[in-house]
Amino acid sequence: ETGVTQSPTHLIKTRGQQVTLRCSSQSGHNTVSWYQQALGQGPQFIFQYYREEENGRGNFPPRFSGLQFPNYSSELNVNALELDDSALYLCASSLTSQADTQYFGPGTRLTVL
Amino acid sequence: DQQVKQNSPSLSVQEGRISILNCDYTNSMFDYFLWYKKYPAEGPTFLISISSIKDKNEDGRFTVFLNKSAKHLSLHIVPSQPGDSAVYFCAASGWGGGGNKLTFGTGTQLKVEL
Repeated sequence: ETGVTQSPTHLIKTRGQQVTLRCSSQSGHNTVSWYQQALGQGPQFIFQYYREEENGRGNFPPRFSGLQFPNYSSELNVNALELDDSALYLCASSLTSQADTQYFGPGTRLTVL
Repeated sequence: DQQVKQNSPSLSVQEGRISILNCDYTNSMFDYFLWYKKYPAEGPTFLISISSIKDKNEDGRFTVFLNKSAKHLSLHIVPSQPGDSAVYFCAASGWGGGGNKLTFGTGTQLKVEL
């Protein structure tokens, strides 16, 4: 059974650019959630995808968008990058949309210059 | 508005002794609570959880206690080992129209000394 994987590990972008982060969910899991973790803070919920549909969204602007594919892998897209978008982006998968326990990937460290 | 609070940024404990990590929450809609452990450069690892219908859950060296009336939970690690040194996050889950999201505290850095 493979765990949650994310790519890339690290990424450096400049302000105004666009970025796509990728996540493969744990085997058998159909729900993916994305979180942003700023330095010294706990992870903050961005949104959740269940069966290719957005299933809930946190307090993030529309320039944060996502996709989930038929194999339940997912992408997080961020447009018009700002300096404050620099953070660790975590993907988590769960067995179903109602499952409480989420299993996290290693994260993608995004630096915006 | 910080709905899940971990008021101790750090905790230092001697090997073999008990580590007690605390967490408070404000939202009565939370019905499931989790603890995650995080090493540097890794994602959070699920440790243990508890449903709001219980007041205690135990798994090996780890026990989580929930006091609903006080909106407080704690994680006990006995005995503490050097490999337990990590950042511990408390998280709460509850449906509220925003998906089954987890709301995290800011974490407690645990250091277990020899």
